[in-house]
Formats: sequence, structure tokens, C-alpha cells
Amino acid sequence: DSGVTQTPKHLITATGQRVTLRCSPRSGDLSVYWYQQSLDQGLQFLIQYYNGEERAKGNILERFSAQQFPDLHSELNLSSLELGDSALYFCASSAPRTSGYNEQFFGPGTRLTVL
Amino acid sequence: QQPVQSPQAVILREGEDAVINCSSSKALYSVHWYRQKHGEAPVFLMILLKGGEQKGHEKISASFNEKKQQSSLYLTASQLSYSGTYFCGTANFGNEKLTFGTGTRLTIIP
Repeated sequence: DSGVTQTPKHLITATGQRVTLRCSPRSGDLSVYWYQQSLDQGLQFLIQYYNGEERAKGNILERFSAQQFPDLHSELNLSSLELGDSALYFCASSAPRTSGYNEQFFGPGTRLTVL
Repeated sequence: QQPVQSPQAVILREGEDAVINCSSSKALYSVHWYRQKHGEAPVFLMILLKGGEQKGHEKISASFNEKKQQSSLYLTASQLSYSGTYFCGTANFGNEKLTFGTGTRLTIIP
């Protein structure tokens, strides 16, 4: 158990709908990262937040947005869903960088199925 | 650009050794290695920094060739529990974002 929690575990929805995925980082971690993993794409970085502020952005679609709240939990919002958005969505967290190490600890993931 | 891993897949008998390689076209600051079992979250194995520092698993070793922008993960005396897909993630200096490689599927058979 990495200490990172994600809800829900599974989500089944229809095209055109909007969903919210939630992530709570490990205690003390300030950074939260979101990744998308589909069968043919591997692990794709979406976005990073650090202590409430956006730190880095990957190939995140305009239909997707995220935020990190004052209690450090994060939410990933996916809207106007398409079949191709079906994937495993992982959240990871890491401690404040002090020595150059910033290993990321992954949550169990949310499996999104768009029908 | 996504790092390239080789081999794409390998099957070993228990007790054999494996080497997984990760190559990047960009200058690297750090390389991270993760193992993922099917349907589960990636699990951190090791991190290597430019300059030679490293931190990670006791039974797994790795190397980082800064000039060649390559890293290799060494699994010795493999156990059944080593089965899974191994990913390298690379980061540039001042950037904590990881770009993950294409993955190497390792299968250990008794």
C-alpha cells in the first residue's frame, strides 16, 4: 500500500458525460501527478500540482482539467467523454524535493470505461 | 520524447538474470524504475541521479550512463515475483515530470 488513495475504483459512463476522479496523496507529500494508461499508449503524464498550484503540464486534452485543494487532495475532471478516454487513470504523489530524489508513489488507479 | 526500452518482452526461468535497457534522446537528470503487475499500480524500484547517486531496492541494481543517456536495470537470480512490466521514467533537471518508456514485459517461469 503506497499511502495514496483514489476513488472511485471503477467508473462506467456514457459518451458525452462528465466525471470527476479523486486522489488523496500520502501524508506530507505536496506534489500530485496524474497519469493516463491505455493499452496502446503506456503511462502518459497529464498534469502535476504542487501545493495547490499547477507545476507542469503534459499532453492533457482541453476537455480535461484538474485542481489541487488546500487540504492537498486533487481532482481530475473529464468532460465530453469519448470512447478513447477509456483507460486507467493513476494519481501519484511525491515529497518536497530536498536532495534530488523525488520518487513518485502511485495510487491504485481508477478504471474508466466509456460506453 | 518517450524513452525507448529494450527488450520489449523477455521470458526467463526462475534463477536466471535479466537486463532491461532504457535509452533517451534527451539529456537526463534522473532515471526512475517502476514495476507494474497487471491491473495494479506501478511500484517504485529505484532512482538514479546524474552524478552517480542512487536510491532503491536492495536486490535490484541499475546503472546510469550519462554520456549515452542510457540506464540499465539488472535483475539477478530472478524470482517468480519479479514478473511484471518494467517502466523507466526520465526527468530533466528542475523538472519533476516523468516521461515513461515503452515498457518491458518480464515473465518468470518455474
